[in-house]
Amino acid sequence: GNSVTQMEGPVTLSEEAFLTINCTYTATGYPSLFWYVQYPGEGLQLLLKATKADDKGSNKGFEATYRKETTSFHLEKGSVQVSDSAVYFCALRGSQGNLIFGKGTKLSVKP
Amino acid sequence: DAGVTQSPTHLIKTRGQQVTLRCSPKSGHDTVSWYQQALGQGPQFIFQYYEEEERQRGNFPDRFSGHQFPNYSSELNVNALLLGDSALYLCASSLVGSGRETQYFGPGTRLLVL
Repeated sequence: GNSVTQMEGPVTLSEEAFLTINCTYTATGYPSLFWYVQYPGEGLQLLLKATKADDKGSNKGFEATYRKETTSFHLEKGSVQVSDSAVYFCALRGSQGNLIFGKGTKLSVKP
Repeated sequence: DAGVTQSPTHLIKTRGQQVTLRCSPKSGHDTVSWYQQALGQGPQFIFQYYEEEERQRGNFPDRFSGHQFPNYSSELNVNALLLGDSALYLCASSLVGSGRETQYFGPGTRLLVL
């Protein structure tokens, strides 16, 4: 069945460091892929998405490229800020229209 | 443009009780999905409502039921609450269209079962 695997957290970085959060998926076909972010005590916010292979999603300095060859959708940011501290979820859209999430990766950015 | 809203924000119940959570979708959206997020985990799909009917369902028991109203708002009902039902319940709305619709989430209702 469909599934998403994310790198284990927590990830702790200094401000202005480079961020990579790995995400790989297992799916039939080429589902849409998403990154959502969850700030403490809040719901999920869509960060970026890609709907087909080789698409690059980007938002607020974050980027992720849909790689069908490696079934990956890694999240990257060139220079993180303290305000980026949150939990990041990779997800794919299942055949039923539901989202299938990874377990989440907690990011802490220190000043 | 109002986003997805949920009520209440927090709720405390005891085992065996019943609970109803409410969701209003983003303006212009016609589909509502419900997710359960246990502490430290990713959200798990409960079910999805479209045109006032349950269209898809995840691996949750019949104690979990729902409803969608003509104005597209939705309710999630959980009967015979168990301690393990303690979680953040998230509602997401979308617009049925090309099949690649994006889901937008509300802030969630945090349920604690004692």
